[in-house]
Amino acid sequence: SSELTQPPSVSVSPGQTARITCSGDALANQYGYWYQQKPGQAPVLVIYRYSERPSGIPERFSGSSSGTTVTLTISGVQAEDEADYFCQSADSPGTYRDVVFGGGTKLTVL
Amino acid sequence: EVQLVESGGGLVKPGGSLRLSCATSGFTFSSFGMIWVRQAPGKGLEWVSSISSSGSYIYYADSVKGRFTISRDSAKNSLSLQMNSLRADDSATYYCARIVDGLDSWGQGTLVTVSS
Repeated sequence: SSELTQPPSVSVSPGQTARITCSGDALANQYGYWYQQKPGQAPVLVIYRYSERPSGIPERFSGSSSGTTVTLTISGVQAEDEADYFCQSADSPGTYRDVVFGGGTKLTVL
Repeated sequence: EVQLVESGGGLVKPGGSLRLSCATSGFTFSSFGMIWVRQAPGKGLEWVSSISSSGSYIYYADSVKGRFTISRDSAKNSLSLQMNSLRADDSATYYCARIVDGLDSWGQGTLVTVSS
């Protein structure tokens, strides 16, 4: 199965923009998704289909895609955004025959 | 409100078995694919198994193929994971989640510890 590569950590000051990348061959033809996980909690979907935002997710969260890399951007980072972020790919939106997660990125708000 | 509640985790010896359950409510269970994802302590997320809405299509990660069995019971709105021949590296928190173009709803997880 394919792999997704994320930076282990990203640090930003409050109010700045955080960008977290996720790279992998699978993303060239598979959708990319992003999850936020805070300590002791289950993951929460924050971006689906590269750039769509579920209801209830703040507008400061956005996603983009280019080739084999997807990027999660958090504009105007707040202290509450400090968390682990995982990317994920799937072969098709409803099948999930081959699911891959990135290793995760710890976002630190300085 | 969509709710998923896992149960069945615990301490088991290597080679033992455990059956996890995921009770769901707040949505039409038979209309959605479901998935098990696990997370070892301090580690990342790992896909374990997926099952289609009808139960006709089932997929497993290579790491659990032949040892784990996923199933669903639409009458009980419940998802299960039968885990056999457990190994130390199966120790993790196991989450069930609903598949909706992304995993839009997750349970809080159940901890499985495989140790002698």
